[in-house]
Amino acid sequence: ILLTQSPSSLSASVGDRVTITCRASQGIGSYLAWYQQKSGKAPKLLIYAASTLQSGVPPRFSGSGSGTDFTLTISSLQPEDFATYYCQQLNTKPLTFGGGTKVEIK
Amino acid sequence: QLQLQESGPGLVKPSETLSLTCTVSGASITTTTYLWGWVRQSPGKGLEWIGSIYYAGNTYDNPSLKSPVTMSVDTSRNQFSLKVNSVTAADTAIYYCARHLIGSGTYYPHDWYFDLWGRGTLVTVSS
Repeated sequence: ILLTQSPSSLSASVGDRVTITCRASQGIGSYLAWYQQKSGKAPKLLIYAASTLQSGVPPRFSGSGSGTDFTLTISSLQPEDFATYYCQQLNTKPLTFGGGTKVEIK
Repeated sequence: QLQLQESGPGLVKPSETLSLTCTVSGASITTTTYLWGWVRQSPGKGLEWIGSIYYAGNTYDNPSLKSPVTMSVDTSRNQFSLKVNSVTAADTAIYYCARHLIGSGTYYPHDWYFDLWGRGTLVTVSS
């Protein structure tokens, strides 16, 4: 299953509302996760089951969607949120990831 | 505190075998709740699932990979390992070990999100 993220990169300011989309090549129900990866670090799980926040993740992060279209929203961008974000589908094997969205400082 | 740590050579010659080990500390690898997986990231590129293994030795790999892989578990050392055979430059990547739930089972990976990762280790394939 191919996951297409858009945009591939974006520039935003602290306090902005940011939305990243992930589109699956076929329906995957709600079996989608989102990760944050900072430079030189391992990915960190943010959201699973499309909208369930992982323990310890700030509530400014939220996820929505089902079927083929999903979104990750950061309600008020913080300095520590500048990173690359990846979606991952969990509907069928092999597990696949989107190409990533890099969030940069404007 | 539960941690994962990858180890292995940072440089491998083309056509040889890449071997990595992940040491689990802070918990037993013989859990019936989790699988232990490998994910890699080519320089400047995205993430690719290599495969996952259960402590009893059951393996689940990605048939899309060009190079054949072998995974194993050593419960006495609380470690699991990855071998990638006949490597090429395309296998140059940061290799991460990671943990994910078994959840609803091993046929549908509905709960196979990675909630704990190692720091990753860069493996370069070059002569």
